[in-house]
Amino acid sequence: GQNIDQPTEMTATEGAIVQINCTYQTSGFNGLFWYQQHAGEAPTFLSYNVLDGLEEKGRFSSFLSRSKGYSYLLLKELQMKDSASYLCAVTSNDYKLSFGAGTTVTVRA
Amino acid sequence: IAGITQAPTSQILAAGRRMTLRCTQDMRHNAMYWYRQDLGLGLRLIHYSNTAGTTGKGEVPDGYSVSRANTDDFPLTLASAVPSQTSVYFCASSEGAGASNEQFFGPGTRLTVL
Repeated sequence: GQNIDQPTEMTATEGAIVQINCTYQTSGFNGLFWYQQHAGEAPTFLSYNVLDGLEEKGRFSSFLSRSKGYSYLLLKELQMKDSASYLCAVTSNDYKLSFGAGTTVTVRA
Repeated sequence: IAGITQAPTSQILAAGRRMTLRCTQDMRHNAMYWYRQDLGLGLRLIHYSNTAGTTGKGEVPDGYSVSRANTDDFPLTLASAVPSQTSVYFCASSEGAGASNEQFFGPGTRLTVL
């Protein structure tokens, strides 16, 4: 099975940077996804990492270290609209997604 | 472009009743999924279908059944609802069942079982 841990809540100021960490233990690893979910809405895809390193996509970046079972999502130049839950999800040998409980980020003015 | 639609948006159901949650996608995706989302537990996979005509069990399949008669539709049935099935249900689809396939989620159905 999979064990995926991420902080429950984080708060940051508009314009700042926030890093959301995710650690995982899995019987087989085939990639890691980050999804964004605004309150009352569906999750939407942010990033996918399968190799070690940093993937940058505009204000959002995602990092993966397979040897450490560790990923982070970096949100730069925070905007009020970035207030949402961020879900870390791991794909294992059966290609099915296992999700962490999510990190709720609150951006304050 | 509709993407994925789910119906109903919300439902209050008496325990013991049968209920079918509907999910339709127009992206011609091969794989479809049903998740439930509960506070503090995140999304958990109930059932999945890698392609039309096939289905499989996820992490929490008990009390639920699915069918995949065609590419577009993937209904989820609760044969006899219980209060522990109160949750938000999300349907999702992906182009294929491979590890790198991004999943697209429907808007969700909020179900309350009394």
